[in-house]
Amino acid sequence: DAKTTQPNSMESNEEEPVHLPCNHSTISGTDYIHWYRQLPSQGPEYVIHGLTSNVNNRMASLAIAEDRKSSTLILHRATLRDAAVYYCILRDTNAGKSTFGDGTTLTVKP
Amino acid sequence: NAGVTQTPKFRVLKTGQSMTLLCAQDMNHEYMYWYRQDPGMGLRLIHYSVGEGTTAKGEVPDGYNVSRLKKQNFLLGLESAAPSQTSVYFCASRVRGGSGRSNQPQHFGDGTRLSIL
Repeated sequence: DAKTTQPNSMESNEEEPVHLPCNHSTISGTDYIHWYRQLPSQGPEYVIHGLTSNVNNRMASLAIAEDRKSSTLILHRATLRDAAVYYCILRDTNAGKSTFGDGTTLTVKP
Repeated sequence: NAGVTQTPKFRVLKTGQSMTLLCAQDMNHEYMYWYRQDPGMGLRLIHYSVGEGTTAKGEVPDGYNVSRLKKQNFLLGLESAAPSQTSVYFCASRVRGGSGRSNQPQHFGDGTRLSIL
């Protein structure tokens, strides 16, 4: 399975934009890029996903590099409730299984 | 709409005991997954199922068994619990989707916290 690499931790100030990077240099042509986040003592929550084009939804934006070897999750205005562990994962097309890495712990300072 | 429900939420076992964790989803999803999460780490896939009556191994299947007798339920069994299996267990489900079938998000339960002494 293709792996992802994320920084262990990042900090942001409240109401400022946050850019969370993810490297996936061994991504295959049909792997989708998914982002989830996990708040303390909760199960992961879906954030956004994409294949080749940049994507926007009510929670965040996803910017995908042209060669698809990296992507960036963008939170446009961080709030204290965005403090969580963010996971970037690749979805295996054939079997439908996913491999989670250790994620990035985002701290939001007031 | 309950989504994904895991039972029980907490459990303490003694080494060698057996137990079954239940995952139930009411969204008519085809795919279901069991993960474990150790402190400070990401999720690791134990077993998964792409449909009723079918199961497959994930990254860390040893010491666990699963069954998917009904579409809405996915059971995770520990036949002889070991302290190394102390963890938080998460169940997830997702719909199969269309031609780009890997692009459907997973829906997670709130987890079962299992301690084995």
